[in-house]
Amino acid sequence: EPEVTQTPSHQVTQMGQEVILRCVPISNHLYFYWYRQILGQKVEFLVSFYNNEISEKSEIFDDQFSVERPDGSNFTLKIRSTKLEDSAMYFCASRLTGELFFGEGSRLTVL
Amino acid sequence: DQQVKQNSPSLSVQEGRISILNCDYTNSMFDYFLWYKKYPAEGPTFLISISSIKDKNEDGRFTVFLNKSAKHLSLHIVPSQPGDSAVYFCGDYLSGGYNKLIFGAGTRLAVHP
Repeated sequence: EPEVTQTPSHQVTQMGQEVILRCVPISNHLYFYWYRQILGQKVEFLVSFYNNEISEKSEIFDDQFSVERPDGSNFTLKIRSTKLEDSAMYFCASRLTGELFFGEGSRLTVL
Repeated sequence: DQQVKQNSPSLSVQEGRISILNCDYTNSMFDYFLWYKKYPAEGPTFLISISSIKDKNEDGRFTVFLNKSAKHLSLHIVPSQPGDSAVYFCGDYLSGGYNKLIFGAGTRLAVHP
């Protein structure tokens, strides 16, 4: 069964460093998303992406964040200068029709 | 303000019994709702959806009911199994083109023998 894959599964970084989280969406999907979940909190929408453009972004998704689809298969989330409060699980998702399919997540720990 | 609320943070049910998880919403763009299940350290997994043309959708042990006048939906699991123990999120699309799916805070279901 096709699935969304994310790398790395866990990344530890120092505050102020840049981080890139990678995702390979399901191959025939057209819409891509990033969500995050801070420990013990809800799953929060960050950004949606379609046709090489951001469709919508939340207030969390400020200038420190960017997304890119550098080739036909990868979808990346970059955090330019990480803060302690960026520590969370980051989930990539993709869809073709109504439901989103999520990856297993990348745990980001900022020290 | 469009919100999705799951007011019960947790639910404990005996194996074999029915689990009922509830979700309330304020203003939905499409009246199209989705339920996801999430185990610790895993991504959310799609369970079942319902749209405004129906008031009920069933898939095996899972049934979702939609009451548009009350702006309420519920997920029924029957019979409940220990493997159903997880956090359940209801989700609603807030914007045109299905660009933004937001989730409630989740309900942690524990199914015990």
